[in-house]
Amino acid sequence: NAGVTQTPKFQVLKTGQSMTLQCAQDMNHNSMYWYRQDPGMGLRLIYYSASEGTTDKGEVPNGYNVSRLNKREFSLRLESAAPSQTSVYFCASREGNYGYTFGSGTRLTVV
Amino acid sequence: AQSVTQLDSQVPVFEEAPVELRCNYSSSVSVYLFWYVQYPNQGLQLLLKYLSGSTLVESINGFEAEFNKSQTSFHLRKPSVHISDTAEYFCAVRTAGGGSNYKLTFGKGTLLTVNP
Repeated sequence: NAGVTQTPKFQVLKTGQSMTLQCAQDMNHNSMYWYRQDPGMGLRLIYYSASEGTTDKGEVPNGYNVSRLNKREFSLRLESAAPSQTSVYFCASREGNYGYTFGSGTRLTVV
Repeated sequence: AQSVTQLDSQVPVFEEAPVELRCNYSSSVSVYLFWYVQYPNQGLQLLLKYLSGSTLVESINGFEAEFNKSQTSFHLRKPSVHISDTAEYFCAVRTAGGGSNYKLTFGKGTLLTVNP
């Protein structure tokens, strides 16, 4: 089925470890986004990519890096995980005036 | 900068009762408005959107929202809720138009709990 695929679905890291969250979409969308969701905070934008080859910071970029590998894939990297990065991470994509399509999320716990 | 305020963090209602989830936004430019729904342990799904035209928009499962420019509001309503409507609802706003760098800004969410 067409949509946004995120891997892994669950992950536990120790403080200081690194990891990459993967996101791929098969809808040929130009724009892709990474959000984090925390209780009572809604969704906050971490980074986005308006088109292939470009990336920009969102509201909460500290501690993260991103790569727009190609039009389909947009990865989020935590270089040195901290407990404050415990969250649910959502990837989304968009084309034109349509609403965003979201992945099913990655639940990350940093201990 | 744009912002969204969802006035209620939790709304408990009984089955078959009407419900209104309130959303106000702030923006200096024209906007598109969205409501997303998130069922437990799932991602977000688009419920309905306002881009232009009629200020009243409807979803396929009986929800509706009305864009009120003068009051900068986009409240979500349903005349009779079901147990299956229990979920978290997010209001979101972005700058109108197809610009590739336009980003969605979300409210903090309203947890709707429908009790039997």
